[in-house]
Amino acid sequence: AQKITQTQPGMFVQEKEAVTLDCTYDTSDPSYGLFWYKQPSSGEMIFLIYQGSYDQQNATEGRYSLNFQKARKSANLVISASQLGDSAMYFCAMREGRVDNYGQNFVFGPGTRLSVLP
Amino acid sequence: EPEVTQTPSHQVTQMGQEVILRCVPISNHLYFYWYRQILGQKVEFLVSFYNNEISEKSEIFDDQFSVERPDGSNFTLKIRSTKLEDSAMYFCASNFNEKLFFGSGTQLSVL
Repeated sequence: AQKITQTQPGMFVQEKEAVTLDCTYDTSDPSYGLFWYKQPSSGEMIFLIYQGSYDQQNATEGRYSLNFQKARKSANLVISASQLGDSAMYFCAMREGRVDNYGQNFVFGPGTRLSVLP
Repeated sequence: EPEVTQTPSHQVTQMGQEVILRCVPISNHLYFYWYRQILGQKVEFLVSFYNNEISEKSEIFDDQFSVERPDGSNFTLKIRSTKLEDSAMYFCASNFNEKLFFGSGTQLSVL
């Protein structure tokens, strides 16, 4: 079974609008971390936001917020006020278990390609 | 803001040649990793490194691959005899506490 599911292969959003990128995950481990990364066409993998499984509040980083719904096992990324530079591939990822355990237990979803329209 | 640095950004090599990919992790980070991403596909774990030794490796990381931290700052991935299927983007990463940070990657093309 897939550990991370991103059901939107591609998304379009108008500049200055908000957009939500979906991510659902599957784990039986009570301790885990959820991440979003941005990969522009240049290829680098840019860390956006992190949510720990025990965090009480949803994570926010500037224009990025993570809508964490633990019971539904979803961790959607919300980008407010989209900019042209937000056009990129977005990956949801999950680390299961220990906070230093980024080996086999760190998995990526297939990604969502976001295109921001002027 | 500190960042993970990788060199070179692009590497072209002939099949069968050795390549060394270099990384400078964020200082004070303790765990280091190599991942790769074949074009258009998922990011795959290769190896993790802690306290100057491999702590975990995937089945992709066979005898053709090796890692070392020769001087306390650089972290290298060596591929001894490259194959066509080694063509990919290779990412170095390091983590501290709960967050994992990636370098900008090395695009390896094997001809």
